[in-house]
Amino acid sequence: AQSVSQHNHHVILSEAASLELGCNYSYGGTVNLFWYVQYPGQHLQLLLKYFSGDPLVKGIKGFEAEFIKSKFSFNLRKPSVQWSDTAEYFCAVTPYNNNDMRFGAGTRLTVKP
Amino acid sequence: NAGVMQNPRHLVRRRGQEARLRCSPMKGHSHVYWYRQLPEEGLKFMVYLQKENIIDESGMPKERFSAEFPKEGPSILRIQQVVRGDSAAYFCASSPQNSQETQYFGPGTRLLVL
Repeated sequence: AQSVSQHNHHVILSEAASLELGCNYSYGGTVNLFWYVQYPGQHLQLLLKYFSGDPLVKGIKGFEAEFIKSKFSFNLRKPSVQWSDTAEYFCAVTPYNNNDMRFGAGTRLTVKP
Repeated sequence: NAGVMQNPRHLVRRRGQEARLRCSPMKGHSHVYWYRQLPEEGLKFMVYLQKENIIDESGMPKERFSAEFPKEGPSILRIQQVVRGDSAAYFCASSPQNSQETQYFGPGTRLLVL
């Protein structure tokens, strides 16, 4: 069955540290990939998405993600985190031509000032 | 341009009561998706609807849960005879045409069953 794995449940960083959140999926076909962020008390917002083309995707707020097809991965990165990046981050996958979006369990990021 | 709207934002029900969750998609969006976020878990797909049609309800529990998206008005997720395990955040998302378009999420309804 198709699944999305986010291996880090809780990440704690100091401001200015670099961030990488892992996301792996299990689906053999073409997929669309997303990262969503949920700030405390708020709803999900789209950070970035990958449909096709350049596998290095730039999103909002300095985030980027790289799609590595051979590793079935779509890791999220940011060179220097800020306290305001404290939030929960969700990776999501939709098989091409399929409406069933699957989410990972989420990674809680805490950035210490 | 208003985003996806959900109401109520918080809903408290006693066991055995009914819960009705409403979702108004973004203007121009004709596709609605419902997700459930259980504590300590990720979002799980429940149902995908277009106007007056249920396209995919593979994620819906077989009993007590139903969803509709009438020609006029918001999409409704209905939970009958709620139990404590139904306590969760329920998110609605909408997209313009189909799932290949980005889904835009509402703020969610947090259901608490006492």
